[in-house]
Amino acid sequence: AQTVTQSQPEMSVQEAETVTLSCTYDTSESDYYLFWYKQPPSRQMILVIRQEAYKQQNATENRFSVNFQKAAKSFSLKISDSQLGDAAMYFCAYRSEVRHGQNFVFGPGTRLSVLP
Amino acid sequence: DVKVTQSSRYLVKRTGEKVFLECVQDMDHENMFWYRQDPGLGLRLIYFSYDVKMKEKGDIPEGYSVSREKKERFSLILESASTNQTSMYLCASTPERVGYEQYFGPGTRLTVT
Repeated sequence: AQTVTQSQPEMSVQEAETVTLSCTYDTSESDYYLFWYKQPPSRQMILVIRQEAYKQQNATENRFSVNFQKAAKSFSLKISDSQLGDAAMYFCAYRSEVRHGQNFVFGPGTRLSVLP
Repeated sequence: DVKVTQSSRYLVKRTGEKVFLECVQDMDHENMFWYRQDPGLGLRLIYFSYDVKMKEKGDIPEGYSVSREKKERFSLILESASTNQTSMYLCASTPERVGYEQYFGPGTRLTVT
């Protein structure tokens, strides 16, 4: 079974600085998808960024980018020019290509604080 | 935009009560999920459904049941609520096509006293 690990339960960053959140996963599959989700305090979980395992190019969405290292099974999230609104729980998630079944696995989350 | 709604944001129930949590999605997604979210444990899958009347157990199904009579609606049932079921409950949906992310509801914070 796949597992997802986020080794940093909490992190903090100064406003306008850059922060990197770590995620590692364990799988025997070659094709899969990886996601970073953001859950602001008392608000809905939303998708930040996604990465297809077959793509070598790292995904980027505005200030958010990933460093995807398939061989190392690592999928870190970099937030540039951090803003107060970036403060949230961040979850790394893995999706198998299996159509049915328990094909989503989440990490335990990293709580990010942004300091003014 | 995809919308996933949950019947309540906050719910307080007594031990032994039967509790219904409702989830509705408006994007014709085949798959729907119920998760429980606890600090330090991330999201743990309770049940999921990949079609009407189809369901499969997740990692922590004990004490819960589900119902999916219509494609857009997925209900989580606590037959006899207990204090250890106090938690945040998240519903999610996703299309059957591979590669898509899950879309989440706002969550229901359930307190069992």
